[in-house]
Amino acid sequence: QSVLTQPPSASGTPGQRVTISCSGRSSNIGKNTVNWYQQLPGTAPKLLIYSNNLRPSGVPDRFSGSKSGTSASLAISGLQSEDEADYYCAAWDDSLNGYVFGTGTKVTVL
Amino acid sequence: QVQLVQSGAEVKKPGASVKVSCQASGYTLIDFYLNWVRQAPGQGLEWMGWINPNSGDTNFAQKFQGWVTMTRDTAISTAYMEVRRLKSDDTAVYYCARGDALRWNSASGTYSGQTEGFDIWGQGTMVTVSS
Repeated sequence: QSVLTQPPSASGTPGQRVTISCSGRSSNIGKNTVNWYQQLPGTAPKLLIYSNNLRPSGVPDRFSGSKSGTSASLAISGLQSEDEADYYCAAWDDSLNGYVFGTGTKVTVL
Repeated sequence: QVQLVQSGAEVKKPGASVKVSCQASGYTLIDFYLNWVRQAPGQGLEWMGWINPNSGDTNFAQKFQGWVTMTRDTAISTAYMEVRRLKSDDTAVYYCARGDALRWNSASGTYSGQTEGFDIWGQGTMVTVSS
């Protein structure tokens, strides 16, 4: 089962700001950086944020990440219809000696 | 461009094995870790393990130890993931994903571990296990 906990859903109207939380432990988020992935329906995941708050080339600056202690969050500002997708946080876990994903959050644009 | 291309969908009976391939192009396979992730229908992402394509070393999530193997053929820039003794709950989309660049730590005599995310993903391979 997933080690990182996310809310199952989040929603907003176009232009709004949506925030997704990710709760972990000292062995994962507490010690390592957090990554976020966006998965559009029927497609492979895409790296959205790495090293807590960095965006790969091509990712709009509407997406931002932050981390504090054993929790992290992803913010989407200026929500757009194409942002409707599943979002997963992830981090390396020193106790499990592996990579752990969050439970996933489905973002709906109303 | 940089991409990972996976083999096509498979249908297997319970107890059989399946081997999924993942071919790298646009970059050198042996320069980066290669991870495998699966996703059961309607479920979340589950990391299975990684292979160091340079050395062949592997590391698995505990639940996959003993019945999943990861190999590579560097001559054709291809990694493989084999699942044995398939069960119905192994029905999932299996993804390969590129991890960190491999960095040799001369002080420890080992490769540095992965710390970042997976920046390139294959398109996924649907494996259906059904009698």
